[in-house]
Amino acid sequence: KQEVTQIPAALSVPEGENLVLNCSFTDSAIYNLQWFRQDPGKGLTSLLLIQSSQREQTSGRLNASLDKSSGRSTLYIAASQPGDSATYLCAVSMNRDDKIIFGKGTRLHILP
Amino acid sequence: ETGVTQSPTHLIKTRGQQVTLRCSSQSGHNTVSWYQQALGQGPQFIFQYYREEENGRGNFPPRFSGLQFPNYSSELNVNALELDDSALYLCASSDYTGYYGYTFGSGTRLTVV
Repeated sequence: KQEVTQIPAALSVPEGENLVLNCSFTDSAIYNLQWFRQDPGKGLTSLLLIQSSQREQTSGRLNASLDKSSGRSTLYIAASQPGDSATYLCAVSMNRDDKIIFGKGTRLHILP
Repeated sequence: ETGVTQSPTHLIKTRGQQVTLRCSSQSGHNTVSWYQQALGQGPQFIFQYYREEENGRGNFPPRFSGLQFPNYSSELNVNALELDDSALYLCASSDYTGYYGYTFGSGTRLTVV
């Protein structure tokens, strides 16, 4: 049974710092992995999608990497801003027409 | 291109009542999935619909049921509401393969009192 873990559960950093959020999964035979952002009480916004054959994806100040063999993904946020404050969720899909399995998220607070 | 829209945004129901939540999928997507997110937790998979049929179900009792319509929109129905059903209900759409990932709606906040 696939399990997704995100560490840390919460993180506070000063504005301007670069930071890394971690996601690990127990079964490395994933189909793809997706990072989402969630503002309090809101829906999910997709940030980056990495296919199982890819190593990383970039969008603006965000970079996500994938290491299937070790069951890990990281989300790197450069030059953090107060507007980046949100919960970041990692989710994996095991097959082409399967559900996605979420971690519990990392709650990020950027201090002005 | 329209995104995923959910209605209503908020709902308060009494224990034992029934509720219907609605979701319109993103243009070009034919698969709809429903997730329940309790406070402080990651979303949990309820079920997925493709071609108007259930195509996978999570660990939820039969009082959670759904429908998908020919235009790919979907409904989530919950009977005999319990206090623990209070949560954010999220709808996601995708193509059948899920290759391009999932697009989520803004959710429906259900409170059962």
